[in-house]
Amino acid sequence: DQQVKQNSPSLSVQEGRISILNCDYTNSMFDYFLWYKKYPAEGPTFLISISSIKDKNEDGRFTVFLNKSAKHLSLHIVPSQPGDSAVYFCAATFLGGSNYKLTFGKGTLLTVNP
Amino acid sequence: DTAVSQTPKYLVTQMGNDKSIKCEQNLGHDTMYWYKQDSKKFLKIMFSYNNKELIINETVPNRFSPKSPDKAHLNLHINSLELGDSAVYFCASSPRGALSYEQYFGPGTRLTVT
Repeated sequence: DQQVKQNSPSLSVQEGRISILNCDYTNSMFDYFLWYKKYPAEGPTFLISISSIKDKNEDGRFTVFLNKSAKHLSLHIVPSQPGDSAVYFCAATFLGGSNYKLTFGKGTLLTVNP
Repeated sequence: DTAVSQTPKYLVTQMGNDKSIKCEQNLGHDTMYWYKQDSKKFLKIMFSYNNKELIINETVPNRFSPKSPDKAHLNLHINSLELGDSAVYFCASSPRGALSYEQYFGPGTRLTVT
């Protein structure tokens, strides 16, 4: 059972435009969400996170929005750059858990065209 | 000065063999993890150790055995390899406390069982 879903396997945008990557979750116990970026032949790297007490968190060009009632979060990248081309994974967990377990989605391949 | 390193990067072996993958982190983190990314691209947690103590043991065949000689190392030994074990295995580590969910991943080990 997929508790974290990224329904778009790929997304292509033009350089300078906005990239919006979406993620849905089914487990209402999740209260902390993270985005990871992965380049080919490398491990995922942490990008940005958000707690369920917030609905928005911003870090430079990256903003994550959380809609708890819809169990949906999105990552906005503005402006998109060719170096942003990578697979983006959404992950979710329970804050305060003792085992720091992350549940990942399948990822969305973002291609930013020059 | 690689933060989380894994060896080997590629491993090709035959069914029935026993193999090990090594992981080391120089970040001073207390918690280390093994993830498996299968052909469907899901990143799934297998094991987690906190300061050499096993804290996550997902439903993984007991042919897989993690070993943590110290908190900077977490090795994965696989007995009697099967075709379905072919995947990319990622090691990760995280600090204690609130940042524990921001996990730092190694580059991955691509295991191919023939």
